[in-house]
Amino acid sequence: AQKVTQAQTEISVVEKEDVTLDCVYETRDTTYYLFWYKQPPSGELVFLIRRNSFDEQNEISGRYSWNFQKSTSSFNFTITASQVVDSAVYFCALKGGNTPLVFGKGTRLSVIA
Amino acid sequence: EPEVTQTPSHQVTQMGQEVILRCVPISNHLYFYWYRQILGQKVEFLVSFYNNEISEKSEIFDDQFSVERPDGSNFTLKIRSTKLEDSAMYFCASSESAGHQPQHFGDGTRLSIL
Repeated sequence: AQKVTQAQTEISVVEKEDVTLDCVYETRDTTYYLFWYKQPPSGELVFLIRRNSFDEQNEISGRYSWNFQKSTSSFNFTITASQVVDSAVYFCALKGGNTPLVFGKGTRLSVIA
Repeated sequence: EPEVTQTPSHQVTQMGQEVILRCVPISNHLYFYWYRQILGQKVEFLVSFYNNEISEKSEIFDDQFSVERPDGSNFTLKIRSTKLEDSAMYFCASSESAGHQPQHFGDGTRLSIL
């Protein structure tokens, strides 16, 4: 069975601090895909990044970076120099080859000015 | 940028009534999905739809739920006889393929059952 664990329920940081959101996953599939979605207070789900199981290269996009480590089944998300607009719930999600997208419970990030 | 649109944004319905939630997926996408998020909880998969039929459904998607693509653009979720526990945010999503392509979500419909 597919499972995603986001152990951090809530994180609060002061603006300009760096923050890392943890994601640990479980799957028996050899081919799978990992995603991060952002859910701002307005409620929509915004796609941030996709990573497939064969690509362990870390990725950076502006202030966002992602660290995929297959050895520890983790796909962590770091926001550098956080801003108030980063305040949201962040979901990590996993999709196997023929299985539905499974979400973690989310981490609520509050960035305080 | 193309987006998934959902209507209405908020639906209030009496318990036992039927409700239809509507979605217009991204036009060149072939796979469609419904998810549910009970307030404060995680997003849960309900059903996936491809080539005019259900390709997968979860335990949540029981006989009171149905999906339909009535024309070339709309994708609907019907709940036949709503219960209080159906109160949730319902998200529609679409993707180009079933595998690695990301699913793009609509803004959701907040369903409140009284």
